[in-house]
Formats: sequence, C-alpha cells, structure tokens
Amino acid sequence: GNSVTQMEGPVTLSEEAFLTINCTYTATGYPSLFWYVQYPGEGLQLLLKATKADDKGSNKGFEATYRKETTSFHLEKGSVQVSDSAVYFCALSRSGGSYIPTFGRGTSLIVHP
Amino acid sequence: DAGVTQSPTHLIKTRGQQVTLRCSPKSGHDTVSWYQQALGQGPQFIFQYYEEEERQRGNFPDRFSGHQFPNYSSELNVNALLLGDSALYLCASSLDPDQPQHFGDGTRLSIL
Repeated sequence: GNSVTQMEGPVTLSEEAFLTINCTYTATGYPSLFWYVQYPGEGLQLLLKATKADDKGSNKGFEATYRKETTSFHLEKGSVQVSDSAVYFCALSRSGGSYIPTFGRGTSLIVHP
Repeated sequence: DAGVTQSPTHLIKTRGQQVTLRCSPKSGHDTVSWYQQALGQGPQFIFQYYEEEERQRGNFPDRFSGHQFPNYSSELNVNALLLGDSALYLCASSLDPDQPQHFGDGTRLSIL
C-alpha cells in the first residue's frame, strides 16, 4: 500500500537558518504529493502540492520538488522565522481517484529567535 | 466566510460509552471527510461522505459510523468507546471528492 516516511523531529533551528525536512514515499502509479502544516491547537492547512514528476510546489517561501527517481518530496525554506514553528506533514494521494491523503507521522519544527 | 467548524472542541467520555461529533463544512463544499489523529501521529482517514452517502472508508471498525445531512453537515459516531479511541478527530471538506480538503480545528476526545 501507499506510505510516507518523514524524518523524525523535533527539528530545532535559529531564526534565518535554512530548513530541510526529508520525505520519501512508497506508492503505486503516479501519486500527487503534498505538504501540510499544523500550528498549535489548529487543524491542518495545505502548504503546497505537486502533481507530477519534476513539478515544484511553492508557498510562503517553502518549496518542494517531486522527485520520482528517488521517490522523495523534501521540504525546504531558505530563511525560517519564529512563526514557522509548527508540525509539518508530508502526504500523498493516489492519482485518478478521490483526494484522500495518506499522511506521514509529522515533523515538529521549533524556531528560536 | 466561515471555514470548517467542528463541535465540541473537547470531550471526555468513559469506556463503553457512545459519542457523536459534528462538522459543518466550508460554505459551498459538499464533500466531508473524517480523520483520526493520535498523539504524535499523522491523521488517519476514517471515511468520506458525498451526496449523503459514504463514498470511501479507511481501515476502521464498524463502531465508527457517520452521516451526512442534506445541508452537507456531517456527524461521526463512535460506539463502545475504547481507551485507544482517545485522539484528535479532524473533519475536512472540499468542493467535490477530487478537490483539496480544508480542515477544521478538530475535536479532542479523551477516554477515561
């Protein structure tokens, strides 16, 4: 079946540092890939997505590239802010069907001033 | 424009009881999905409702059931509660089953 593996957290960074959160997946066919963010006490928000190989999703300074050859979708940001502190979830959904994401376990990001 | 709203925000029950959680989708959305998020885990898909019918179901027992009303709001019912049912229950809505989902803030269910 489909699965998503994320690096374990927490990831602790100083403000303005470079961020990478690794995500790899296992899926049949050609899934769509997503990053969601969950701020404390809130539900999930879609951060960015990519629907085919080599696509780059981007939003709010975050980027991720759909790498089919390495089955990866790593999240990056050049300069993090304290307000980026949250839990980040990598997810996939099967192509050609309903939008039902399979989520990874989440990676907590803590950014210090 | 209100987003996805869930009620209650917190709930405490004891083993063996039954619980009903409620969800109002974002305006214009007709598809509602429910997820269970255990502490430190990603959300797990329970089921999806569209046009008042259960359209897809995840790997959850029959103790978990739901309903969608003509106004597209939805309920999640869990019978014979177990300690392991303690989790954050998230509702998500979308314009249709093939569109990205918008999540509510969830209902925190604690089983004693």
